[in-house]
Amino acid sequence: QQQVKQSPQSLIVQKGGISIINCAYENTAFDYFPWYQQFPGKGPALLIAIRPDVSEKKEGRFTISFNKSAKQFSLHIMDSQPGDSATYFCAASMGGAGSYQLTFGKGTKLSVIP
Amino acid sequence: DSGVTQTPKHLITATGQRVTLRCSPRSGDLSVYWYQQSLDQGLQFLIQYYNGEERAKGNILERFSAQQFPDLHSELNLSSLELGDSALYFCASSVAIDGTNYGYTFGSGTRLTVV
Repeated sequence: QQQVKQSPQSLIVQKGGISIINCAYENTAFDYFPWYQQFPGKGPALLIAIRPDVSEKKEGRFTISFNKSAKQFSLHIMDSQPGDSATYFCAASMGGAGSYQLTFGKGTKLSVIP
Repeated sequence: DSGVTQTPKHLITATGQRVTLRCSPRSGDLSVYWYQQSLDQGLQFLIQYYNGEERAKGNILERFSAQQFPDLHSELNLSSLELGDSALYFCASSVAIDGTNYGYTFGSGTRLTVV
């Protein structure tokens, strides 16, 4: 059972454009929604995260939009740059009994072309 | 450098063998998580240790086991290896205090190839 569904699988965006990646979750007990960025040969790196009590969080060119009723959240990358080319993973967790295991989406490979 | 150290970076071994992957968490982090990343399954949670004790278990096979030592480093043991165990294995560490998730820091992973 895939608890976090991510789309699209791959995305090609022109430099300066907006990249949008979407995720949907099923478990309403999730209370923490991070996005990770992974470059080839590296581990995932935390990019930005949100909790369900806010609808949007912005950090620089990266914005998370969160829709609790629809159980969806998305990552927007404004002014996309070639250096943003990487695989992006959404994830969700619930902090029960001190464990914050993450359930990841399948990932989106973003290519930003000059 | 994320501060989470994983060794070795690459491992090639034969089916049926046993290997040990090692992880040193960031200084001060008490929790260590192990994840498996494969092309078809994506990133899957295997197991978590907190200050030496097992805290949560995910999709970890019975052939796999882990432990966290008093100095907080962790080892993931994989035995009776099969071709399908070939994957990237990541360790992550975090500080978890009073229910607040400060976010994970992942290591660079160990690429395991079973031939």
